[in-house]
Amino acid sequence: EVELVESGGGLVQPGGSLRLSCAASGFTVSSYYMNWVRQPPGEGLEWVSIIYSGGDTYYADSVRGRFTISRDNSKNTLYLQMNNLRAEDTAVYYCAKESYYGSGIYGMDVWGQGTTVTVSS
Amino acid sequence: ERVLTQSPATLSVSPGGRATLSCRASQSVSSNLAWYQHKPGQAPRLLIYGASNRATGISDRFSGSGSGTEFTLTISSLQSEDFAVYYCQLHNNWPVFGQGTKLEIK
Repeated sequence: EVELVESGGGLVQPGGSLRLSCAASGFTVSSYYMNWVRQPPGEGLEWVSIIYSGGDTYYADSVRGRFTISRDNSKNTLYLQMNNLRAEDTAVYYCAKESYYGSGIYGMDVWGQGTTVTVSS
Repeated sequence: ERVLTQSPATLSVSPGGRATLSCRASQSVSSNLAWYQHKPGQAPRLLIYGASNRATGISDRFSGSGSGTEFTLTISSLQSEDFAVYYCQLHNNWPVFGQGTKLEIK
């Protein structure tokens, strides 16, 4: 069964750090584009970061320079290192596998259940 | 930077009715558009990819159409489990989401 399970969320003070993990089963993380997507309280989905199968990474402007996406192929796990956290980073964080359907068409077809990050003093 | 604008923000439809949700791109995205359903406390679910292709296991009550800059998600014979928030999304170097349409019971 194809599955993603996030962990690592919690309460952290402004300026603090957290590392989120996303353990995959049923497929190989390094063979797909993998994303982090978040949903702040009362708001919509916001893309955070992507790591391509080839290793290239991209970030939303709001997190660039503070967050780092990575993967451990031996553990088949995706990570999001979050530093210098701000109140506005408070959200449910989802990891999502992105499949390529050909002709430049993509879709996030597998999602984790999410892990909650709260940044507050 | 491509931007997606969804309308309306909230749509009220009676069970058994039909819902039509719109998504407009600021620049042409060809057919590279996906739709997702998101319910509180659950993971988002891919409904449509490539503007009009239903994802695995998705009911044929869900249909997508459009290309270029104008896209539509139509949900027919609305059932109680369909009331949720719907997002459109494109991938252009990286993903971009619309702001969502909340489909509520009338």
